[in-house]
Amino acid sequence: DAGITQSPRHKVTETGTPVTLRCHQTENHRYMYWYRQDPGHGLRLIHYSYGVKDTDKGEVSDGYSVSRSKTEDFLLTLESATSSQTSVYFCAISAGTRSPYYGYTFGSGTRLTVV
Amino acid sequence: GESVGLHLPTLSVQEGDNSIINCAYSNSASDYFIWYKQESGKGPQFIIDIRSNMDKRQGQRVTVLLNKTVKHLSLQIAATQPGDSAVYFCAENKGNTPLVFGKGTRLSVIA
Repeated sequence: DAGITQSPRHKVTETGTPVTLRCHQTENHRYMYWYRQDPGHGLRLIHYSYGVKDTDKGEVSDGYSVSRSKTEDFLLTLESATSSQTSVYFCAISAGTRSPYYGYTFGSGTRLTVV
Repeated sequence: GESVGLHLPTLSVQEGDNSIINCAYSNSASDYFIWYKQESGKGPQFIIDIRSNMDKRQGQRVTVLLNKTVKHLSLQIAATQPGDSAVYFCAENKGNTPLVFGKGTRLSVIA
């Protein structure tokens, strides 16, 4: 997707290891989000950021931390990966929170498997 | 790109027919609603949005209807095409809070 990239695209990791996923944007948007997508649950918010060094928790934040040291990068860290964190992770960006800026732009996702 | 083999409600529609995808949203205070389309292997893409002060909004081949009384949102796709095959999500929010997504519906177009 134009303006937003996620890395890596696929990762297999062992239980108990730390993992960091990266979201990079070239749109200079203020807001960035991390969602996970699982069967039967749709997209659930993990953490989001409303500016450099400004972050807040979503509904499924346990076991995850985030950092945003510059506008273009939003990192998601699984502090000690568990099998329940096997999922597809999506990053999204938005220019604002009031119309007409609500429409999020999503990245292509990262498939993470914890074995 | 990635997608998930979701165990979703599925709507099967003949090519050329109209499709109606429904969504029951959860928060009566929500004032903004969006429909997203997710094709296999890709992230969700914005289709159309509607604010709570509206009942209907039309785009190109798509119409969104909002019934606040019963907290119901629908997406109508006219003359459904094979390229419309995807998973469709509704999303809602209030004020400046992050979007909350529904679980999605899979649309399958029969050629």
